[in-house]
Amino acid sequence: GAVVSQHPSWVICKSGTSVKIECRSLDFQATTMFWYRQFPKQSLMLMATSNEGSKATYEQGVEKDKFLINHASLTLSTLTVTSAHPEDSSFYICSASMMNTIYFGEGSWLTVV
Amino acid sequence: AQTVTQSQPEMSVQEAETVTLSCTYDTSESDYYLFWYKQPPSRQMILVIRQEAYKQQNATENRFSVNFQKAAKSFSLKISDSQLGDAAMYFCAYRSAGSGNTGKLIFGQGTTLQVKP
Repeated sequence: GAVVSQHPSWVICKSGTSVKIECRSLDFQATTMFWYRQFPKQSLMLMATSNEGSKATYEQGVEKDKFLINHASLTLSTLTVTSAHPEDSSFYICSASMMNTIYFGEGSWLTVV
Repeated sequence: AQTVTQSQPEMSVQEAETVTLSCTYDTSESDYYLFWYKQPPSRQMILVIRQEAYKQQNATENRFSVNFQKAAKSFSLKISDSQLGDAAMYFCAYRSAGSGNTGKLIFGQGTTLQVKP
């Protein structure tokens, strides 16, 4: 079964609204999780490192006020896309490490209309 | 900063034949990990093979093997006896082995592999 789970798998939202994506580690605690963004036929680009109990570390060029990351527990990190616009439409995927093995969530498709 | 480069956007192979996907990387670190991931249309990331930089022996997983050339900073993936199910996008990825890295991966651009029946 899945070791890292993402929800929702698909989400459509209206332009200007906010949408939250969850990333859960199942049966293990993850003090650090990672959020990636992937455009069609392109690579995974690291957006930020989610740190449990502290602020996320964002990669250069990623707007931290637009992509809010919260890691309030050892098994849950959330990515909130605020004031979403059509250009935010993408595939978002998270990962977490357990016993030196990296596990990916199933990913979340976001479409902003 | 580390970078990973995959220079082949697309590759094609006949079923049952062998294909090699190329990957080069740049780093000043001496200890790191390299990976090949497969991403089928479902978009699920599937680990194909992993190589520790300190190991000279090339990693092998069934039909998948790598040619790891540390001095040349090259890490190619060979798929033998290609199957239709191997068709996917393949990503080469780098991970620092430093204690501060808890799973951060740097990905190459990806190579789309087509398997012809």
